[in-house]
This record gives sequence, structure tokens and C-alpha cells, in this order.
Amino acid sequence: DTGVSQNPRHKITKRGQNVTFRCDPISEHNRLYWYRQTLGQGPEFLTYFQNEAQLEKSRLLSDRFSAERPKGSFSTLEIQRTEQGDSAMYLCASSNRGATDTQYFGPGTRLTVL
Amino acid sequence: KNEVEQSPQNLTAQEGEFITINCSYSVGISALHWLQQHPGGGIVSLFMLSSGKKKHGRLIATINIQEKHSSLHITASHPRDSAVYICAVGETSGSRLTFGEGTQLTVNP
Repeated sequence: DTGVSQNPRHKITKRGQNVTFRCDPISEHNRLYWYRQTLGQGPEFLTYFQNEAQLEKSRLLSDRFSAERPKGSFSTLEIQRTEQGDSAMYLCASSNRGATDTQYFGPGTRLTVL
Repeated sequence: KNEVEQSPQNLTAQEGEFITINCSYSVGISALHWLQQHPGGGIVSLFMLSSGKKKHGRLIATINIQEKHSSLHITASHPRDSAVYICAVGETSGSRLTFGEGTQLTVNP
């Protein structure tokens, strides 16, 4: 399967703990996006990378959130000191170009903060 | 006011009916995307368009740039079409997508 993969698929954590999610994009795609989706809402943009450079961050991405794409391939999204409001589906997508190209989405990581 | 508005929020239809979902946006865009999301979260891209009309099987997407409006049509709807349909726009100023809240479609047999 050469689609976008995300791990883990589900994560349950206690408030205050740190969590890290991984996204492996389609191999030839140079753009990688992170989105967050809460129940009943559309996804919201968090950040995106072109190769290893993080080119844009949403104001939704507080100081507790950090994302990396160290070699321009896979990416990690870390949330420090999780809060209950962080509970959501975290989606990763990749594309060859920007908003004029089809984005291919991973299955998402569902985070539940107790 | 959201930058991307969809209507209706919920839609229930009988199998075979013609379905229309609408999307209006308020920003300059480089492209508009229609996406399908099934229970469990998986999102699939259906269309990307910047003008005119595209057709794939029973699905048709249209866009009117001057009116900042797009529609997704499903002909001869089927229960397997039941899903959330999401409109998203790629703004001319950047690479991010801005999403509507989605339309929950249920097609009953």
C-alpha cells in the first residue's frame, strides 16, 4: 500500500501527558499537511511542510504543539502537556504541489485526553 | 461568518434520488475541492476544480467563480453514497485548504 499512513490510529492519554503522532506520506510527495478535526466539524489546518521546511503554521498551533519533518519524508506532530480540548482526530495529507493539487489523506489518529 | 459555508448540513434521501450539496466561499481561491469522509475518518478526494464542471461516474461538480459558489450533484443516489461530503478551498494566498463543516448525507434503500 503506497498511500498515506499514520500511527498510532488511536491514542488515549491522561491530561498533562505528552503524545507524538507519526505520518508517512506518499513517497514522491514533497508537501505534507497536518489538520485537526473535532466531532461534527470540518478539518482545520494546523501546519504544512514543503520537503523539510515548515512553511506555515496556524494560530491554532499553540506553543504546546510542535511538528517536524527532519528528512523531508515522514513527519511527527507532538503535543506537550495535553489538555482535554486537544481531543480530536489528527489528519495528515500529502500532495505534490499546493492547494491546486489533490491532497491524499491518511486514516487519521484519534486522540482522547482523559 | 465562516469562509466556506455548506448547505444543507444534513440531507436524507431515498435511493435513486438526485442530490445537490452546495458550497459558498468568501475568499479568493486557486482551486475548490470536494471530499468524501466515511465513518471512521478516512477522507477521499472526489474532485478538484477551478472552473466549469467535472464528472466522474454518478458525481458531478460545478463551480461559478464569479458567484463564489460550487455544487456537488449525485445522480441515482445509492445507500453506499451515505457519507459526509466536505467542500474545501485552496486560497490564492497560500497552500492551505480551508474546509466547510461538511454535509451528512444518508441515502435510505
